[in-house]
Amino acid sequence: DTGVSQDPRHKITKRGQNVTFRCDPISEHNRLYWYRQTLGQGPEFLTYFQNEAQLEKSRLLSDRFSAERPKGSFSTLEIQRTEQGDSAMYLCASSLGTSISLGGYTFGSGTRLTVV
Amino acid sequence: SQQGEEDPQALSIQEGENATMNCSYKTSINNLQWYRQNSGRGLVHLILIRSNEREKHSGRLRVTLDTSKKSSSLLITASRAADTASYFCATVLMNSGYSTLTFGKGTMLLVSP
Repeated sequence: DTGVSQDPRHKITKRGQNVTFRCDPISEHNRLYWYRQTLGQGPEFLTYFQNEAQLEKSRLLSDRFSAERPKGSFSTLEIQRTEQGDSAMYLCASSLGTSISLGGYTFGSGTRLTVV
Repeated sequence: SQQGEEDPQALSIQEGENATMNCSYKTSINNLQWYRQNSGRGLVHLILIRSNEREKHSGRLRVTLDTSKKSSSLLITASRAADTASYFCATVLMNSGYSTLTFGKGTMLLVSP
């Protein structure tokens, strides 16, 4: 499979627990993005990596959220002390580009988080 | 906050009809992209149009861009039941160093057999 893989597909957790999601981008893609999507809304940008460097973070990414991309390959997104408002679909995308106007992103199927 | 706003929010048509969705945005862009999302799935890139382009075609898709009105439209011709999905426009802002996409809220398209 040469697409973007996300694991797990679904996660149900109790409020206050920590959760970690994984994203495996297309291997030759140097850019990796995390988005969050709530019901009936479009995806909202969370953070961006170019290789292993985290270059941009949204204000949506509170101090309970942390993302890493060690060695510029897979990435993890951790949410600490989850809240019910964190319930959403978390989408990972990757792209190849040194130029702004290159093609679109390739998205994974997402991880649906439900906080109960 | 979201840059793009799609119109209509929902669209219901019969197979074989054309579907037109519109997108408006607020600030100057480098390019605009359209994505499709089937229920509960990730997004699939459909087409990209650059700020210096006015129209682009890909199969049954036709996208227009009017930078003076800050708007774009997506036309799907001869729609099929398999086109049922949500459609999002997304913009890359001018002078954006990182090509992060800003999405609208989407148009939900239902194509009935």
